[in-house]
Amino acid sequence: KQEVTQIPAALSVPEGENLVLNCSFTDSAIYNLQWFRQDPGKGLTSLLLIQSSQREQTSGRLNASLDKSSGRSTLYIAASQPGDSATYLCAVHNAGNMLTFGGGTRLMVKP
Amino acid sequence: NAGVTQTPKFQVLKTGQSMTLQCAQDMNHEYMSWYRQDPGMGLRLIHYSVGAGITDQGEVPNGYNVSRSTTEDFPLRLLSAAPSQTSVYFCASRLTSGSLSYEQYFGPGTRLTVT
Repeated sequence: KQEVTQIPAALSVPEGENLVLNCSFTDSAIYNLQWFRQDPGKGLTSLLLIQSSQREQTSGRLNASLDKSSGRSTLYIAASQPGDSATYLCAVHNAGNMLTFGGGTRLMVKP
Repeated sequence: NAGVTQTPKFQVLKTGQSMTLQCAQDMNHEYMSWYRQDPGMGLRLIHYSVGAGITDQGEVPNGYNVSRSTTEDFPLRLLSAAPSQTSVYFCASRLTSGSLSYEQYFGPGTRLTVT
């Protein structure tokens, strides 16, 4: 059974810092990996999708990498802003049409 | 496009009552699914559908029924509500094409409390 772990569970940084969120998964037979953002009391907003054949994807200040063989993905946020404060979730798409989610990293960016 | 919409936003039920959570999408996505999100448990898949007339169970299907009569709609039915079903429910959809899949889009969620 696929297991997805996100470290750290919570992170507090001052505004302007570059930061890295980590996601690891136990079964490397994935179709893709997706990073989401969730604000308190809200739904999930898709940030980046990396197909299993890709190594990274970029969107603005966000860069996600994927190392399928080692079961790891990172989400890099450059020049963090208070508006980046949210919970970040990674999810892997396995065989059988299932997305398996990590527990999330709760990020607080202080002004 | 409205994307994925869910109704209601909030609901309180008494134990034993039944209800249907509504989900609709206007993106012509083949795949739709329901998740529940609980503190400390993350998001877990309840049921999913790969197209009209086709549904299957996810990780935690007990106590829930689904049907998919149209591409747009995927309602989730609670047959006899229990306090353990207190949760936030999210509907999601995506395109599918062979072995590749695409971004999954989520609705805003329904917060359900069962007393």
